[in-house]
Amino acid sequence: DAGVIQSPRHEVTEMGQEVTLRCKPISGHDYLFWYRQTMMRGLELLIYFNNNVPIDDSGMPEDRFSAKMPNASFSTLKIQPSEPRDSAVYFCASSLRRVLHEQYFGPGTRLTVT
Amino acid sequence: AQSVAQPEDQVNVAEGNPLTVKCTYSVSGNPYLFWYVQYPNRGLQFLLKYITGDNLVKGSYGFEAEFNKSQTSFHLKKPSALVSDSALYFCAVRDMGAAGNKLTFGGGTRVLVKP
Repeated sequence: DAGVIQSPRHEVTEMGQEVTLRCKPISGHDYLFWYRQTMMRGLELLIYFNNNVPIDDSGMPEDRFSAKMPNASFSTLKIQPSEPRDSAVYFCASSLRRVLHEQYFGPGTRLTVT
Repeated sequence: AQSVAQPEDQVNVAEGNPLTVKCTYSVSGNPYLFWYVQYPNRGLQFLLKYITGDNLVKGSYGFEAEFNKSQTSFHLKKPSALVSDSALYFCAVRDMGAAGNKLTFGGGTRVLVKP
């Protein structure tokens, strides 16, 4: 099993640019979560999906952030336009409904906005 | 709202000594509690959970956690720490929000095990 796959692993971009982060969950998992981790704010849940449908996006910081899950094997998190305060490590995680809270995390994408 | 608190930013322990990482919780209703570990430059990994049953829960890598309802605590323990246990540890609680299907994480405790 390849685990949760995220790309890119590192992203450096300039303020104002669009950034797209990608995630492939573990095959068969029906929940997908996007988190953000910073030193100041710790680990924050941004949004999560069940069977490709967004369930709770209350953690999305503002309209510049959007997430999609067009199918069971792919999700994106987009930031447009990006700002320096978006610099963080973004994690994707997936889980099975029957063991819902045993989440499997990807390696993360380290985003730096200059 | 559900919450967990990890009162220690860092715990230092000598290899071979017992390790304890503290966590207290605040929930309405029955708590669902979890521990995750994050090694450098990696995502979080599930260690163990308490849903119901025995207050002592055993998990991966020799870790265990003790649920104490009267003290609202869920401390993580390992009898004999290894240098390889050096990592960031997160306590989490199930958030019984509208959908009830997400976790709220504590701020994390960095564990440093010295040889």
